Amino acid sequence: DIVMTQSPDSLAVSLGERASINCKSSQTLLYSTNNKNYLAWYQQKPGQPPKLLIYWASTRESGVPDRFSGSGSGTDFTLTISSLQAEDVAVYYCQQHFFTPHTFGQGTKLDIK
Amino acid sequence: EVQLVQSGAEVKKPGESLSISCKGSGYTFTTYWVGWVRQMPGKGLEWMGIIYPGDSDTRYSPSFQGQVTISADKSISTAYLQWSSLKASDTAMYYCARVSGGSKFLYYYMDVWGKGTTVTVSS
Repeated sequence: DIVMTQSPDSLAVSLGERASINCKSSQTLLYSTNNKNYLAWYQQKPGQPPKLLIYWASTRESGVPDRFSGSGSGTDFTLTISSLQAEDVAVYYCQQHFFTPHTFGQGTKLDIK
Repeated sequence: EVQLVQSGAEVKKPGESLSISCKGSGYTFTTYWVGWVRQMPGKGLEWMGIIYPGDSDTRYSPSFQGQVTISADKSISTAYLQWSSLKASDTAMYYCARVSGGSKFLYYYMDVWGKGTTVTVSS
């Protein structure tokens, strides 16, 4: 199985500041045939199901605020929130969908400092 | 609107059987894979497996192969997650989700999620 490792496990950022979450995969997620990275990011708020934020490593899902962005390629990826808002408090997960099982990272808990 | 509606919370005893459901609407149910994800109390997300309702082809995570059965009834646009003999360690929230792709040979990220079904197994 592909192992997905997120860092840090938790972080606290001041309102309006930038938050960055890293995700590293044990194998490349870049498919050379179509030049796509098979990596998605999800947000899970307390008591709610996960919500898709980013797919193909950097494509924002419809309706997701543009303060959320995804970057990276191959085995190293980053989710960035450019200006943290109170409603962004959540746990964030990366997921690879290159090979089954489509494994998730362990999650990163984001709080307000 | 694309929706996945999951069945209600369950409380069971160890050794009992259980089937929970996930009904899709607002899209062509037979042409998108549907996946199941486990979240144990206070823990992260675990990908369990997926099913293609068009022909019931399934892919399981090795961690869950033989522990659960994923099935679907395309006539009623419903996918199922089943246990033949529950254990206390099956206590968790279970989410179903539509897998993007739109065909038998394409299964990518999970773009629409159900609200989850809580399963509690306790003697």
